[in-house]
Amino acid sequence: GAVVSQHPSRVICKSGTSVKIECRSLDFQATTMFWYRQFPKQSLMLMATSNEGSKATYEQGVEKDKFLINHASLTLSTLTVTSAHPEDSSFYICSARVRTPDGYTFGSGTRLTVV
Amino acid sequence: SQKIEQNSEALNIQEGKTATLTCNYTNYSPAYLQWYRQDPGRGPVFLLLIRENEKEKRKERLKVTFDTTLKQSLFHITASQPADSATYLCALDMKNNDMRFGAGTRLTVKP
Repeated sequence: GAVVSQHPSRVICKSGTSVKIECRSLDFQATTMFWYRQFPKQSLMLMATSNEGSKATYEQGVEKDKFLINHASLTLSTLTVTSAHPEDSSFYICSARVRTPDGYTFGSGTRLTVV
Repeated sequence: SQKIEQNSEALNIQEGKTATLTCNYTNYSPAYLQWYRQDPGRGPVFLLLIRENEKEKRKERLKVTFDTTLKQSLFHITASQPADSATYLCALDMKNNDMRFGAGTRLTVKP
């Protein structure tokens, strides 16, 4: 089945530094990837839609200069949290799907802790 | 306003019983409705997709119903097992690839 590989699974960084999270589709090409954030016991909140070869589309209230998304190839999308602050600590997850309609394949998630 | 509500935050049942989880939504018109399982610290795993013109779908011990008039989906796990313990998320899949998730129901199946 389709696999989305997400790295790192956990990262602890100091306040003010930047962190890059990678998502790769291993056995299919993903022209579109979705990035979510999830706080404890809360729903997945869509942050942005990443499109290969073009600019990402951000949800209302998500700062595009803070959460930089790059989708340079059909198999790789990255999310960079710039100048991270403790309030950015969360669980970040990416997803993509092989075809529509179909279920989405999610990465295993990245637990970001900013200290 | 647009809302997706899953009936309860937590549901505890005895092994062997049927678990029934509810997803209600308002002011959305999904083309499909999906159910996912999420274990702690992991990404969601896709379980089932049901289209707006389908009433019911089954996969092994899982059954999903979709009532677009009531704006409700029911998710059933029959002959539940402790290994079914997880959080289950419903997701509305709109025609434009827009996906919206409910907050999930944490199911615990006790032996």
